[in-house]
Amino acid sequence: GENVEQHPSTLSVQEGDSAVIKCTYSDSASNYFPWYKQELGKRPQLIIDIRSNVGEKKDQRIAVTLNKTAKHFSLHITETQPEDSAVYFCAASSFNFNKFYFGSGTKLNVKP
Amino acid sequence: NAGVTQTPKFQVLRTGQSMTLQCAQDMNHNSMYWYRQDPGMGLRLIYYSASEGTTDKGEVPNGYNVSRLNKREFSLRLESAAPSQTSVYFCASSASHLYEQYFGPGTRLTVT
Repeated sequence: GENVEQHPSTLSVQEGDSAVIKCTYSDSASNYFPWYKQELGKRPQLIIDIRSNVGEKKDQRIAVTLNKTAKHFSLHITETQPEDSAVYFCAASSFNFNKFYFGSGTKLNVKP
Repeated sequence: NAGVTQTPKFQVLRTGQSMTLQCAQDMNHNSMYWYRQDPGMGLRLIYYSASEGTTDKGEVPNGYNVSRLNKREFSLRLESAAPSQTSVYFCASSASHLYEQYFGPGTRLTVT
């Protein structure tokens, strides 16, 4: 099956700085890469996703980049705010398997 | 649209007791999933159903059974609860594994 690795496990930044979270995957057939945000005590919610036919996607302060050759994708958050503090999960899926493979999560702490 | 609903929200069981966690979605999604999330940990897939009438094991299926009752409902059963099954259980649904997953609010289960 697929193997998704996520780094770092924890990330602490100062408010206003940028944060970058990286994920690698093993299955070259993977073609859908969502990112989820989970606030404390809440359910995971999709914040952005990208498909393999696109190299980059932006939504306001959030962007995701995909490098298919190197099999890695990254979440970029600019101008971080305290409300960005949460756990972020990357995931990957492909036509080969009818399920998602999640990374282990990154706990982001934005210090005011 | 209620999205994905789960019952109960909280449950305490004694070792050896059985119970069923209920999940329903009103988005006409084909795929449904059960995850468990231990404190400070990531999401681990227990079972999933790619379409009505099919179910498959995920990463940690031991001690659990599932039923895809119809397109809307996907239940998770613990036949003989063990303390190791203390966790938060999330149900999720998606149109397919290549589209956004929507998560339910979770069930916090404690087994004593």
